[in-house]
Amino acid sequence: EVQILETGGGLVKPGGSLRLSCATSGFNFNDYFMNWVRQAPGKGLEWVAQIRNKNYNYATYYAESLEGRVTISRDDSKSSVYLQVSSLRAEDTAIYYCTNGYSWGQGTLVTVSS
Amino acid sequence: DTVLTQSPALAVSLGQRVTISCRASKSVSTYMHWYQQKSGQQPKLLIYGASNLESGVPSRFSGSGSGTDFTLTIDPVEADDIANYYCQQNNELPYTFGAGTKLELK
Repeated sequence: EVQILETGGGLVKPGGSLRLSCATSGFNFNDYFMNWVRQAPGKGLEWVAQIRNKNYNYATYYAESLEGRVTISRDDSKSSVYLQVSSLRAEDTAIYYCTNGYSWGQGTLVTVSS
Repeated sequence: DTVLTQSPALAVSLGQRVTISCRASKSVSTYMHWYQQKSGQQPKLLIYGASNLESGVPSRFSGSGSGTDFTLTIDPVEADDIANYYCQQNNELPYTFGAGTKLELK
């Protein structure tokens, strides 16, 4: 059974930073591109970032709205992917989901507020 | 960026056939996928590659289309299908989602 679990969300002040983690199991992690997608309260889905696998030299891609403030990384030995987000703004408040494109975790809520 | 346009909402009766549309601003070939999201839950993949049914998804769901016009069909609609439905393209970065179609009961 595929399992994806995001952690690391919470309440952070504007300008602060967070590192989100995503632990996975049940599929061959090394074969997959991994993505972060976010959803602001009551809004739709927004793709945030992707990291490709070793065959693609772990290439990374980011949404323009967050470029320069986010870094995606992965640790194949732990079947895990990470998202570092800095200079957080109120509009970054959202549930952040980790997905391999087929399965999604339940998400972790990031709230940016003073 | 590729913009995906969906109707905001559809009202349906149980047992009815419903079609949800998604139009892309440029061709995405068949790199179109459909997700269902129920309130308070994560999205669930229904259809990938425009017309391929994800494992475990009921056969009353089907997808079609290529290029710029795509449809998700539910036939017949069951009470458990009341949810938001999103299309997503991964033909080119940045990957984009439609704004979602809310399926409601008449």
